[in-house]
Amino acid sequence: EIVLTQSPGTLSLSPGERATLSCRASQSVSSSYLAWYQQKPGQAPRLLIYGASSRATGIPDRFSGSGSGTDFTLTISRLEPEDFAVYYCQLSWTFGQGTKVEIK
Amino acid sequence: QVQLVQSGAEVKKPGASVKVSCKASGYTFTSYDINWVRQATGQGLEWMGWMNPNSGNTGYAQKFQGRVTMTRNTSISTAYMELSSLRSEDTAVYYCARGAYKGDYWGQGTLVTVSS
Repeated sequence: EIVLTQSPGTLSLSPGERATLSCRASQSVSSSYLAWYQQKPGQAPRLLIYGASSRATGIPDRFSGSGSGTDFTLTISRLEPEDFAVYYCQLSWTFGQGTKVEIK
Repeated sequence: QVQLVQSGAEVKKPGASVKVSCKASGYTFTSYDINWVRQATGQGLEWMGWMNPNSGNTGYAQKFQGRVTMTRNTSISTAYMELSSLRSEDTAVYYCARGAYKGDYWGQGTLVTVSS
């Protein structure tokens, strides 16, 4: 069973700053099945990135994904107020534990 | 537009069963898998299983084997998830999501509370 480990657990940043979130798999995986989600309190998760680097429909280009093998990254180039949320990586319905991006 | 609309909140006693529905609209129901994911308060996302609405084939996470059943009614484009032998630890929001390897659309969530 593949385990996804996200880091850091919490990221404290200010609007306008760059956010870099990490997702590490316990073994090498196909990037085709790596996705990222955003979840705000009281809401369902929203798909941001699939196939490790493809933005989902309607997702702003400040969100980007990269990586291969065991290491994947979600980058938010300039944080907007609405970007403060919890982010999950997913591989074929196995989820990481999440990274909370909070306002510093 | 694609929508997944789930049934309302439920309160159940330990040992009981709950059946949550997920009604799809805006696309061909039988063309996409439906997955079920749950989330306890303040916790992460936990995958429960998937169903192919066309064939009815299912696959369940090992943790839920023997307790979960996923079914569908194609005539009304609705998927169902039934969880039996409920215990307090099953208190969570249950989501349905469309897609085989990624959830591009999600239901709004159904809160299931298990309490005596």
